[in-house]
Amino acid sequence: QSALTQPASVSGSPGQSITISCTGTSSDVGAYKYVSWFQQHPGKAPKLMIYDVTNRPSGVSNRFSGSKSGNTASLTISGLQPEDEADYYCSSYTSSSSVIFGGGTKLTVL
Amino acid sequence: QVQLVESGGGVVQPGTSLRLSCAASGFIFSDYGMHWVRQAPGKGLEWVAFIWYDGSSKYYADSVRGRFTISRDSSKNTLYLEMNSLRVEDTAVYYCARAGSGGWYLVEYWGQGTLVTVSS
Repeated sequence: QSALTQPASVSGSPGQSITISCTGTSSDVGAYKYVSWFQQHPGKAPKLMIYDVTNRPSGVSNRFSGSKSGNTASLTISGLQPEDEADYYCSSYTSSSSVIFGGGTKLTVL
Repeated sequence: QVQLVESGGGVVQPGTSLRLSCAASGFIFSDYGMHWVRQAPGKGLEWVAFIWYDGSSKYYADSVRGRFTISRDSSKNTLYLEMNSLRVEDTAVYYCARAGSGGWYLVEYWGQGTLVTVSS
């Protein structure tokens, strides 16, 4: 099964908003409300930022939000801050009783 | 707080075996399912395997099914990944992760990872 499709890179200036897309199929993203988003800084473990499409874990800034339409999920970061610069990955449950990740998106804060 | 500490990584030759361990603390280990996720150098995340809280069911990625075995010992609060017939493409940082309470698919808390290098 191929990875979910994410843009390789996105960028934005401090204070701006950016959106990262995550495209799957009707067997994963489109079929379930089980999409998560992770933030990973260089040399660090990933951190859960969004789960079940729209939910934020305790302690995650409300500048991070998630949505889904059809086979595509999205992560929006508003009020960009320098510390948001990181790699972002989406994941989804699949109909094959597995978990699939996206290829990752490098966010650059200009 | 949730702590997951992986160990057992190292440099091995293709075709050999290796066992990874993950020591869990800060939560009731026997109440949660557990994942292994890997990341090849400079690459993205790849889900590897999952085991239910009681060990009754296990799921594997196609890329490792039949070669890797996930297991757990709740008396030791430890998760394992037995890796056999290792290939060069198995080279990666292997992360242990705890599943969410709302669904096994949720990879909620992550360890810091252990590096496995398969090279001749």
